[in-house]
Amino acid sequence: GDSVTQMEGPVTLSEEAFLTINCTYTATGYPSLFWYVQYPGEGLQLLLKATKADDKGSNKGFEATYRKETTSFHLEKGSVQVSDSAVYFCALSGGYQKVTFGTGTKLQVIP
Amino acid sequence: ETGVTQTPRHLVMGMTNKKSLKCEQHLGHNAMYWYKQSAKKPLELMFVYSLEERVENNSVPSRFSPECPNSSHLFLHLHTLQPEDSALYLCASSPSRGALEQYFGPGTRLTVT
Repeated sequence: GDSVTQMEGPVTLSEEAFLTINCTYTATGYPSLFWYVQYPGEGLQLLLKATKADDKGSNKGFEATYRKETTSFHLEKGSVQVSDSAVYFCALSGGYQKVTFGTGTKLQVIP
Repeated sequence: ETGVTQTPRHLVMGMTNKKSLKCEQHLGHNAMYWYKQSAKKPLELMFVYSLEERVENNSVPSRFSPECPNSSHLFLHLHTLQPEDSALYLCASSPSRGALEQYFGPGTRLTVT
C-alpha cells in the first residue's frame, strides 16, 4: 500500500536558519503530494502541494519539488522564523479520495 | 463561524461513560472525515462520509459510532472506551470524496481514564 516516511523530529533551528524536512513516499501510479502544517492547538492546514513530477509547490516562503526519480518531496525554507514553529506533515493522495499521512516532524525555531 | 469547527476541544471521560464529539463545516463541502491522531503515529483515517452516506470504515472498533445527519454535521459517539483510545480526534471536510485537499478542524483532545 501507499506510505509516507518523513524524518523524525524534533528539529530545532535558530531564527533565519535554512530548513529542510525530508519526505519520501511509496505509491503505485502517480500520486499528488502535499505538505500540511499544524500549529499548536489547531488542526492541520494545507501548506503546499504538487500534482505531477517536477512540479514545485510553494507558499509562505516554503517550497517542495516533486521528484519522481527519488520518490521524494522535501520541504525547504531559506530563512525560518519563530512563527514557523509547528508540526509538519507530508502526505500523498494516490487513489480515489484516500490521503496517506506521514508521522509528522516537529519544528522548533528559537530566537 | 468559518471553516471546520469541533466541540468540545477537550474531553475527559471514564471507561463506562458515553459522550459525543461534534464537527461542523461551514464550507459547503460534501465529504467529511474522522481521523485519530496519536503521538508518533501517522494520522489514522477512521470514517468517511460522502453526501451523508458512510463510504469507508477502517476497521474501527464498534465502541466508536459515527453519525452524519446532514452534509454540514458529523458526530462521533463514544461508549465504553479504553485508555488507549486517548488521542486527538480530528474532523476534516473536502468539496467531494475525490477532492485532493482536506480542510481540518482544531480537534478534540480526548483522555480516557
